[in-house]
Amino acid sequence: DTEVTQTPKHLVMGMTNKKSLKCEQHMGHRAMYWYKQKAKKPPELMFVYSYEKLSINESVPSRFSPECPNSSLLNLHLHALQPEDSALYLCASSPGLADSYNEQFFGPGTRLTVL
Amino acid sequence: QKEVEQDPGPLSVPEGAIVSLNCTYSNSAFQYFMWYRQYSRKGPELLMYTYSSGNKEDGRFTAQVDKSSKYISLFIRDSQPSDSATYLCAMRGRGQKVTFGTGTKLQVIP
Repeated sequence: DTEVTQTPKHLVMGMTNKKSLKCEQHMGHRAMYWYKQKAKKPPELMFVYSYEKLSINESVPSRFSPECPNSSLLNLHLHALQPEDSALYLCASSPGLADSYNEQFFGPGTRLTVL
Repeated sequence: QKEVEQDPGPLSVPEGAIVSLNCTYSNSAFQYFMWYRQYSRKGPELLMYTYSSGNKEDGRFTAQVDKSSKYISLFIRDSQPSDSATYLCAMRGRGQKVTFGTGTKLQVIP
């Protein structure tokens, strides 16, 4: 299995809702990432988990809460989002070796709309 | 000045043309260089991954890195309409954080 899967593909939520995004990989990778991508912009890093520990938080607002239950699974919990948080949320994984080839493989993304 | 500069295009070429996509960067700590292809409303797909300076070829794709000039290129030979997408350059140093270019939108006209 050489892919990163993400569910759901699309999500519409109100500003008072709580929802979660899910990401899974079975490549034995030990680093997993959340990115946010707005239209016609490059992916913007949000969080990095390395060996199931949060290693990078790019000053993301607390209404986004990541969780890494095990080495294959990454969640992003959403609460009290704003309409400007509407974007494509991308998950990626990589082998986890920061000082070597550590190519990131992306999932297809979850398109989130906040009403 | 942005760490990575990439012309957003759009770049339109006829089918069969050789396409040249480029990025410049300012951070001399970057050692690993990548090119991703992203179709509309999809996740980025890794095309090429190189370490330090030099060339790497994979089928119709050739990646070049010139660290002395802080310049990387992706060449696509015999371009096809299916190559129409946004191409993102990306690079990193010794850590895990990747810095992306803004992407170049390519359209290959049949």
